Amino acid sequence: DARVTQTPRHKVTEMGQEVTMRCQPILGHNTVFWYRQTMMQGLELLAYFRNRAPLDDSGMPKDRFSAEMPDATLATLKIQPSEPRDSAVYFCASGLGQGSGANVLTFGAGSRLTVL
Amino acid sequence: AQSVSQHNHHVILSEAASLELGCNYSYGGTVNLFWYVQYPGQHLQLLLKYFSGDPLVKGIKGFEAEFIKSKFSFNLRKPSVQWSDTAEYFCAVSTGGGNKLTFGTGTQLKVEL
Repeated sequence: DARVTQTPRHKVTEMGQEVTMRCQPILGHNTVFWYRQTMMQGLELLAYFRNRAPLDDSGMPKDRFSAEMPDATLATLKIQPSEPRDSAVYFCASGLGQGSGANVLTFGAGSRLTVL
Repeated sequence: AQSVSQHNHHVILSEAASLELGCNYSYGGTVNLFWYVQYPGQHLQLLLKYFSGDPLVKGIKGFEAEFIKSKFSFNLRKPSVQWSDTAEYFCAVSTGGGNKLTFGTGTQLKVEL
């Protein structure tokens, strides 16, 4: 089975530290999404890319969060500086933007972040 | 912008009971509808999807959902739940031909033996 791979699976850090989460989308998928899941807010879309270009990052706090796709096999989500309220599970998902199989997203296992 | 409402936040059922989870969306145009499941400690997995055609769609593990356009609803059903169905269930919608998903708040289902 093709999978979306996320690292790290778990991260505990102290407030103020930089955190970088990585995602390897499924080979051939041209859309990549970052979602954040918390008990209070549920699943929130942070950012998404199509063909490596950012299409929407309106859900992301711009002052501390940044999302990039250095190449088609890697997406990154960075938080600098991190704060306790950033504690959440961050999911990456990938999909095909068009054609057969479009509109279905495959999710990674998530990165559970705890900021102390 | 579209939104998704899931009315039941927590559902507790006994094994073999029938399940129906409500989902309503707000969007006037063409939609694609999804149900995802998240087992404890795991990632989201696709249960079923509706794009067009037969409004009654069947998914994995005996789940089905019915799209009722006039009611803007896409309720999830299963005739007889099992303990292993204990999980959180998310309804989601995408619009305009894209695959950006907007999720509902989720329904936590607990199935008791």
